[in-house]
Amino acid sequence: GENVEQHPSTLSVQEGDSAVIKCTYSDSASNYFPWYKQELGKRPQLIIDIRSNVGEKKDQRIAVTLNKTAKHFSLHITETQPEDSAVYFCAAEVPKTSYDKVIFGPGTSLSVIP
Amino acid sequence: GAVVSQHPSWVICKSGTSVKIECRSLDFQATTMFWYRQFPKQSLMLMATSNEGSKATYEQGVEKDKFLINHASLTLSTLTVTSAHPEDSSFYICSAPRNRRSYGYTFGSGTRLTVV
Repeated sequence: GENVEQHPSTLSVQEGDSAVIKCTYSDSASNYFPWYKQELGKRPQLIIDIRSNVGEKKDQRIAVTLNKTAKHFSLHITETQPEDSAVYFCAAEVPKTSYDKVIFGPGTSLSVIP
Repeated sequence: GAVVSQHPSWVICKSGTSVKIECRSLDFQATTMFWYRQFPKQSLMLMATSNEGSKATYEQGVEKDKFLINHASLTLSTLTVTSAHPEDSSFYICSAPRNRRSYGYTFGSGTRLTVV
């Protein structure tokens, strides 16, 4: 079936430390993996994404790694700041016949302590 | 670019009434629109996928007669919650692919539905 798991569900780090969130997916046909940041009551915001032909992608303090063999992908945030506090969702795009659909992980609530 | 406008942003309705939520793609054509529901402190759960000019595809466990989806044009998709009950209170949000396949998705701003 189509499933995305995400760990941990909550994460607290000191300001300046790194945060790592890990996800696994079940459908080996998945080929696109976005990460979203959602603040309370707002829409998810894409922060980084990676396609299956790439193993790692970095954008300033944010990086994502992908292991297609193991069906794992991870989000790394370095030098965390209080404004990084939010809920983060990983997702996997599942190809279908006429369209692709995106399945979300359960989310990680990140708290960055000043 | 690739903006999806969602209305209303919040709505309170009485139990038993119906509520329509609209999502419009403002600067692109959305042939596909995904509808999600998010309960407090939970993830986004895909309810259904609408495709312009054809019937929506519902995820397992979602009642198609209760959550009516219409995608009559390339820029408008609607979700109608019929005979709403308090357990339908949730955050509903739509999403559309930006351009070609596997090139990201844009989200509406969400609708907070409260059924009293």
